Amino acid sequence: AQSVAQPEDQVNVAEGNPLTVKCTYSVSGNPYLFWYVQYPNRGLQFLLKYITGDNLVKGSYGFEAEFNKSQTSFHLKKPSALVSDSALYFCAVRDRGDSNYQLIWGAGTKLIIKP
Amino acid sequence: DVKVTQSSRYLVKRTGEKVFLECVQDMDHENMFWYRQDPGLGLRLIYFSYDVKMKEKGDIPEGYSVSREKKERFSLILESASTNQTSMYLCASSLATGGSNQPQHFGDGTRLSIL
Repeated sequence: AQSVAQPEDQVNVAEGNPLTVKCTYSVSGNPYLFWYVQYPNRGLQFLLKYITGDNLVKGSYGFEAEFNKSQTSFHLKKPSALVSDSALYFCAVRDRGDSNYQLIWGAGTKLIIKP
Repeated sequence: DVKVTQSSRYLVKRTGEKVFLECVQDMDHENMFWYRQDPGLGLRLIYFSYDVKMKEKGDIPEGYSVSREKKERFSLILESASTNQTSMYLCASSLATGGSNQPQHFGDGTRLSIL
């Protein structure tokens, strides 16, 4: 069965420090991978996606993510955290072989950046 | 920028009522989705539609129906609202052209309370 795991419910980081939000996935074929962010009382915003090619993907607001096929991971990273990065982050995956457009979603990780 | 507009940000209804949640997108996207979001459960797909008058059940369709009479509008209907349908409802749309790696674009959500 296809699945996405975000092993940490919450991540706390001091402002200015690097941050990592973890995501691992399980699909039968090759994946398309996505990260979204949700600010309080808002919908989800697309941050970045991995389709193919370079394993390091750069996205919005200075975020990047590294695709690791052997570890089936797609961790979200940022070199220097801002207080405004505090939000809920979702990882999602789709098997390239699927004919539909559905995404499999992780449960979300709450990121708290402390001043 | 893609804009997905949900008709209400907050809604309070009573058990047994028929409830309509409306969603409109302005980017001519073929695909539209309805999710519900509950703490710790991430996003769960209720229904999606890949064309006018077409619909597919998601993971939790029970107690819900949908309508897509025009390409830009996708309505979610709670046939007889119950308290366990109290939740945040999110609408999303995505482009079908270009393959299934297109990101979904979300509205700001409707927080629905059933009393």
